[in-house]
Amino acid sequence: EAGVTQFPSHSVIEKGQTVTLRCDPISGHDNLYWYRRVMGKEIKFLLHFVKESKQDESGMPNNRFLAERTGGTYSTLKVQPAELEDSGVYFCASRDSGLDEKLFFGSGTQLSVL
Amino acid sequence: LAKTTQPISMDSYEGQEVNITCSHNNIATNDYITWYQQFPSQGPRFIIQGYKTKVTNEVASLFIPADRKSSTLSLPRVSLSDTAVYYCLVGATSGTYKYIFGTGTRLKVLA
Repeated sequence: EAGVTQFPSHSVIEKGQTVTLRCDPISGHDNLYWYRRVMGKEIKFLLHFVKESKQDESGMPNNRFLAERTGGTYSTLKVQPAELEDSGVYFCASRDSGLDEKLFFGSGTQLSVL
Repeated sequence: LAKTTQPISMDSYEGQEVNITCSHNNIATNDYITWYQQFPSQGPRFIIQGYKTKVTNEVASLFIPADRKSSTLSLPRVSLSDTAVYYCLVGATSGTYKYIFGTGTRLKVLA
């Protein structure tokens, strides 16, 4: 079974540019989460999809961040325009429905905004 | 939402048993307790999950007292490769399943 896949693994962009991160969850997992860790800080929740619907986006830092999950399969997280403080590692995780609380994480995308 | 508190770091020697305790005073009735392990440049990886009493799998044991306000992850006979950050998570309630990562415990296994 394929795991959670994130692309790209690394991205280096300049301040003001746009970057789009992609996450492919485990097939059949309805729940998809985005998290991020900025330098030296804790891993923080960004948002949660159930299929194509945003269940909770309370962790999104501001309106420069836009997450989508068209068709309830893969998800994208776009940062536009990127700022220096957006640098960090962005993790995606997926979870099956039901009582199993187990999250499966991708390896993350290291974003560097210069 | 239940928040968790763990020691920031721990050191151990190879072959020893390591116990990492997590406090979660506000745990809700429907919450599960899950532990994750994270190596540098990787995403967190599931270790073990439990609701109450004791759970054991091939890599760890999880002890949960009756009041469920804390839990202890037990790693038997650690090796150098167990050096990692260990996170205790408590499942969110009300259907949102929003997970909160705390600081985690940075375990360093010494030779």
